Amino acid sequence: NAGVTQTPKFRILKIGQSMTLQCTQDMNHNYMYWYRQDPGMGLKLIYYSVGAGITDKGEVPNGYNVSRSTTEDFPLRLELAAPSQTSVYFCASKYGNEQFFGPGTRLTVL
Amino acid sequence: GQQVMQIPQYQHVQEGEDFTTYCNSSTTLSNIQWYKQRPGGHPVFLIQLVKSGEVKKQKRLTFQFGEAKKNSSLHITATQTTDVGTYFCAELQTGANNLFFGTGTRLTVIP
Repeated sequence: NAGVTQTPKFRILKIGQSMTLQCTQDMNHNYMYWYRQDPGMGLKLIYYSVGAGITDKGEVPNGYNVSRSTTEDFPLRLELAAPSQTSVYFCASKYGNEQFFGPGTRLTVL
Repeated sequence: GQQVMQIPQYQHVQEGEDFTTYCNSSTTLSNIQWYKQRPGGHPVFLIQLVKSGEVKKQKRLTFQFGEAKKNSSLHITATQTTDVGTYFCAELQTGANNLFFGTGTRLTVIP
């Protein structure tokens, strides 16, 4: 199994641009999550999904959107990127009580 | 969301010294998970504690959940350079299955 994969690894955006962060897991996990981690900080939950077709907001959802059309994929959409969205974004899936994290996407908005 | 505070924020130790990080909450925690994140890496699950007063060990790592379920600790005996990283506690919220992460303790081990 590849586990949780994320693309791209790095991205620089200009203010106002949009992009989609991709997340795929091949473990057939129902639960998936998007977090952001600001420098020197813990992780904040953006959105999560308990299964295909079901999504819900986390702590910091403003400025983001998600969809979950399949069990495997959970893309995160940024519309109108702002400097405050500069962060490292981690996708995770869950089996039992354990969350499995992807390698992250480092996003800079200039 | 829940406020789960960790102390210290940073810790530098000589290789072979012990290390402890503490996770504190003002409210009763349903359960606690611990994660390790190597520099430039992603969080990796270490353990979950559920019961009041629970103690679990993984080789040189000892995890403890307070009797009142308001605090937890991670103790590393005789640190090694491979222990370098940031250690996070996280509360797993029941029902919603969401994790609220602590602020983390960054451990540096000096050879």
